[in-house]
Amino acid sequence: ETGVTQSPTHLIKTRGQQVTLRCSSQSGHNTVSWYQQALGQGPQFIFQYYREEENGRGNFPPRFSGLQFPNYSSELNVNALELDDSALYLCASSLTSSEQYFGPGTRLTVT
Amino acid sequence: ELKVEQNPLFLSMQEGKNYTIYCNYSTTSDRLYWYRQDPGKSLESLFVLLSNGAVKQEGRLMASLDTKARLSTLHITAAVHDLSATYFCAVDYMDSNYQLIWGAGTKLIIKP
Repeated sequence: ETGVTQSPTHLIKTRGQQVTLRCSSQSGHNTVSWYQQALGQGPQFIFQYYREEENGRGNFPPRFSGLQFPNYSSELNVNALELDDSALYLCASSLTSSEQYFGPGTRLTVT
Repeated sequence: ELKVEQNPLFLSMQEGKNYTIYCNYSTTSDRLYWYRQDPGKSLESLFVLLSNGAVKQEGRLMASLDTKARLSTLHITAAVHDLSATYFCAVDYMDSNYQLIWGAGTKLIIKP
């Protein structure tokens, strides 16, 4: 059984650019959630996808968008990057609303 | 909107002591989670608490949930250095859509 993987591990972007982060869910999991964690703070829920449909969203602007694919892998897209978007981005997979398994995260730096 | 508060936010304790971390939330929820995070690492699931009165134990950690009081506790028994980490609680919240709301975390340092 493979765990949750994320790519890339680190990324540096310039303000105004766009970024795509990727997540491969744990085998058999049909739900994926994305979180933003700024340094020294708790995670902030961005959104959740269940069977390719968004079924939950936190207080993030529309420039944060996502996709879940038929194989349950997922992408997080962020447009018009701002300095405050610098953070660790975590994805987590689960089977419906059960225990979530987190990936190692992608560290995004916006300059 | 649901708010989740943890206290204390920082805790330094000696090995062998017992202590409790508290997680309060402001509105009704059916599900509460506890996670652990080591510095620079991702999150590790510790407990999922699904109902009032739920109690779960793993090693030196025990978590409980009182949905009427909107309170969960994470109790540490005879702490050891390896338990040093930041502990987060998180609560399912549903109004017009689903969210998972997190506490700010409790940074636990256990001194030998």
